[in-house]
Amino acid sequence: GAGVSQSPSNKVTEKGKDVELRCDPISGHTALYWYRQSLGQGLEFLIYFQGNSAPDKSGLPSDRFSAERTGGSVSTLTIQRTQQEDSAVYLCASSTSRDLRNIQYFGAGTRLSVL
Amino acid sequence: ELKVEQNPLFLSMQEGKNYTIYCNYSTTSDRLYWYRQDPGKSLESLFVLLSNGAVKQEGRLMASLDTKARLSTLHITAAVHDLSATYFCAVDMSYGSARQLTFGSGTQLTVLP
Repeated sequence: GAGVSQSPSNKVTEKGKDVELRCDPISGHTALYWYRQSLGQGLEFLIYFQGNSAPDKSGLPSDRFSAERTGGSVSTLTIQRTQQEDSAVYLCASSTSRDLRNIQYFGAGTRLSVL
Repeated sequence: ELKVEQNPLFLSMQEGKNYTIYCNYSTTSDRLYWYRQDPGKSLESLFVLLSNGAVKQEGRLMASLDTKARLSTLHITAAVHDLSATYFCAVDMSYGSARQLTFGSGTQLTVLP
């Protein structure tokens, strides 16, 4: 079956512009996660959605970052007024509570470059 | 704050040799995961370790978990070039209904012919 799909795969933007990154989780997965992978910082948790519950935003680095999940499926991560330090690979993952192992399945990521 | 430390960060080894990657974490956790990442690719799940003393094996890789020592190991037996990749351990911290993975820094493994 289809895995986690992310788009675009690469995004180049100018400092100060807004960007939107999209994640389409595995069908039927109720949990969705965003992570950021950057040199020197490793993999950082950003935000977690579970079903229709309020998201856990504890990992968002600043108020320029926001995310939403429409209809319990597709999610969009928005970064406003991008800065050069936002350059990283943004990874999305999904999981299902029906599997007690709670394995997170990752997409291929969006590589964001802020010039 | 949960900290996850992996070592070594870089590992070059000859084909046919054995080696172990270590993952230490700082607080009690439900689950520990090992992932593999090839250059430019996403993370692939290798193992899930759910309880103290758990051992999982797949091919030349074997993972184990000691929750009392807060230590997991990934042992590589008779390495082959195809195992070259970056390996991450990740600890699942759940609190209330929220879950997140905290990752180690990764071990970049290069298997030399």
